[in-house]
Amino acid sequence: GNSVTQMEGPVTLSEEAFLTINCTYTATGYPSLFWYVQYPGEGLQLLLKATKADDKGSNKGFEATYRKETTSFHLEKGSVQVSDSAVYFCALRDVQGSSNTGKLIFGQGTTLQVKP
Amino acid sequence: DSGVTQTPKHLITATGQRVTLRCSPRSGDLSVYWYQQSLDQGLQFLIQYYNGEERAKGNILERFSAQQFPDLHSELNLSSLELGDSALYFCASSVGSSVTDTQYFGPGTRLTVL
Repeated sequence: GNSVTQMEGPVTLSEEAFLTINCTYTATGYPSLFWYVQYPGEGLQLLLKATKADDKGSNKGFEATYRKETTSFHLEKGSVQVSDSAVYFCALRDVQGSSNTGKLIFGQGTTLQVKP
Repeated sequence: DSGVTQTPKHLITATGQRVTLRCSPRSGDLSVYWYQQSLDQGLQFLIQYYNGEERAKGNILERFSAQQFPDLHSELNLSSLELGDSALYFCASSVGSSVTDTQYFGPGTRLTVL
């Protein structure tokens, strides 16, 4: 079945460092891909999305490009801040047979800790 | 604030009991999804409703059930609770159920079963 695999965490970086969180997926068809962020004690917030191959999603300095050839959707940010400390989830939007259910399939999450 | 509301925020109960979690979707959204977040299973899809009808089922136990009402709010009923049901339960909503529709998540209900 469809699945998402993220790099193991936690990832610990110093402020202003470059961030990459790897995400690869297995899916039939053409799923949409998402990054969600969960700050401590809060729900999930959509960070960015891409709906077709070669699309680049971006928001708040974060970027991710939908790479169909490598089935990847890696999250990047050029200069992280302490406030970016959170858990990041990669997800794909599942298309189940001929019925478009749209459920999300999540990776296991990657914890990011940014130190001053 | 995503516009999705969930009540209660916290719930503490005992094994064998039954609880109801409530979700109000964003204004105009017809689809409601329920997810469970636990330490061992991660984030898992439970069930989806679209405009009052069940659309898809995921890894939802038979002890769990849900419904979506005419005003589009949804309730998730968990019965014969076990320790392993302790988790964070999220509701999400979207305009429709297209693969390109964004799902917006509520703040979650933390269920603790003692």
